[in-house]
Amino acid sequence: EDQVTQSPEALRLQEGESSSLNCSYTVSGLRGLFWYRQDPGKGPEFLFTLYSAGEEKEKERLKATLTKKESFLHITAPKPEDSATYLCAVPYNQGGKLIFGQGTELSVKP
Amino acid sequence: SAVISQKPSRDICQRGTSLTIQCQVDSQVTMMFWYRQQPGQSLTLIATANQGSEATYESGFVIDKFPISRPNLTFSTLTVSNMSPEDSSIYLCSARGGQGNTGELFFGEGSRLTVL
Repeated sequence: EDQVTQSPEALRLQEGESSSLNCSYTVSGLRGLFWYRQDPGKGPEFLFTLYSAGEEKEKERLKATLTKKESFLHITAPKPEDSATYLCAVPYNQGGKLIFGQGTELSVKP
Repeated sequence: SAVISQKPSRDICQRGTSLTIQCQVDSQVTMMFWYRQQPGQSLTLIATANQGSEATYESGFVIDKFPISRPNLTFSTLTVSNMSPEDSSIYLCSARGGQGNTGELFFGEGSRLTVL
């Protein structure tokens, strides 16, 4: 069964304290891994898509990496405005649908 | 990318009533989806809205409870029927940018329903 697991569930950082979020997946034939950011009361905002092991993408203080079993979202020198829930998702079956992990709630304190 | 507008953004509903949520995309898209996000939970796919045919529902979701329309390539509606407090959730419309079933999935801001 296709599955996506994120850890930790919640992460509290001080401003400037770098860390990583994990997304492990079990799917037959990966057709991409997606990272989203979701602020309270808002819809998910697309961040990255990764398609093959070894691929990396960066956006400001965020860098996403992908292996054959998991993806990491590295946050370098975070700021309070990076506080949000970060979701990862993978497509399942051929219909282009996404299955989402439970998310990591990130809180960055000044 | 695709810009997705949903309305209403929030509503408070009485038990037993039905509410229709509208979703408008700023460009023609092949695939549109409806997700539910219950309080403190992640996103669960309700159904795929197919243009010109019936929606395809995921396990645990049925057409009588969540009828969906997709009259054209830019618009869809989701109705939550005969609501109960357990239906209190955020309902999210999403669309895949461009054509085909690959590429990024974009989301609307969501419709937060509270059922009393």
